[in-house]
Amino acid sequence: GENVEQHPSTLSVQEGDSAVIKCTYSDSASNYFPWYKQELGKRPQLIIDIRSNVGEKKDQRIAVTLNKTAKHFSLHITETQPEDSAVYFCAASRGLTGGGNKLTFGTGTQLKVEL
Amino acid sequence: NAGVTQTPKFRVLKTGQSMTLLCAQDMNHEYMYWYRQDPGMGLRLIHYSVGEGTTAKGEVPDGYNVSRLKKQNFLLGLESAAPSQTSVYFCASSIRTGPLRLDTEAFFGQGTRLTVV
Repeated sequence: GENVEQHPSTLSVQEGDSAVIKCTYSDSASNYFPWYKQELGKRPQLIIDIRSNVGEKKDQRIAVTLNKTAKHFSLHITETQPEDSAVYFCAASRGLTGGGNKLTFGTGTQLKVEL
Repeated sequence: NAGVTQTPKFRVLKTGQSMTLLCAQDMNHEYMYWYRQDPGMGLRLIHYSVGEGTTAKGEVPDGYNVSRLKKQNFLLGLESAAPSQTSVYFCASSIRTGPLRLDTEAFFGQGTRLTVV
């Protein structure tokens, strides 16, 4: 089955700096790669996603890049703010026969943005 | 529009007891999932459903059963709880959209924190 590895497990940056989180996946058939943000005690919420036919996607301060050949994808957050502090999860999915996402998640990155 | 709602939010069980977690979604989503979240391990898929009346096993199905009798509800059962099932459980739902039937965002419930003593 799919295996997703995520690094680093913790990341501390100064406010205004950039943060990069990297993930690798094992299943070359995976075609959907979402990133979720989870604040303490809250539910995971989608912040950005990318499909295998696209190499890069950007939404304001957040961007995701995908390298299908190397089977890795990364989350980039620019101009970090204290409210960006949370746990971030990457995931990969090839889709299920009959429909739906069988998301395999990375183990998460605890991002701390310091003032 | 409440999204995905889980009941209960917290529960403490004794080893060997049984319980059912309820997930309800009002977005008319076809696909529903149960995940468990443990420290340092991300979210792992327990069971999922691609439609009313159908269920399938995920990564970690042992010790759990599920049912989807109605499209909007997905139940997760623990027949004989064990301390290893202490975890935070999340339900999620999703839909495919567009002419290419592409998978989209999975919406999560608020979670159920279960402790088995």
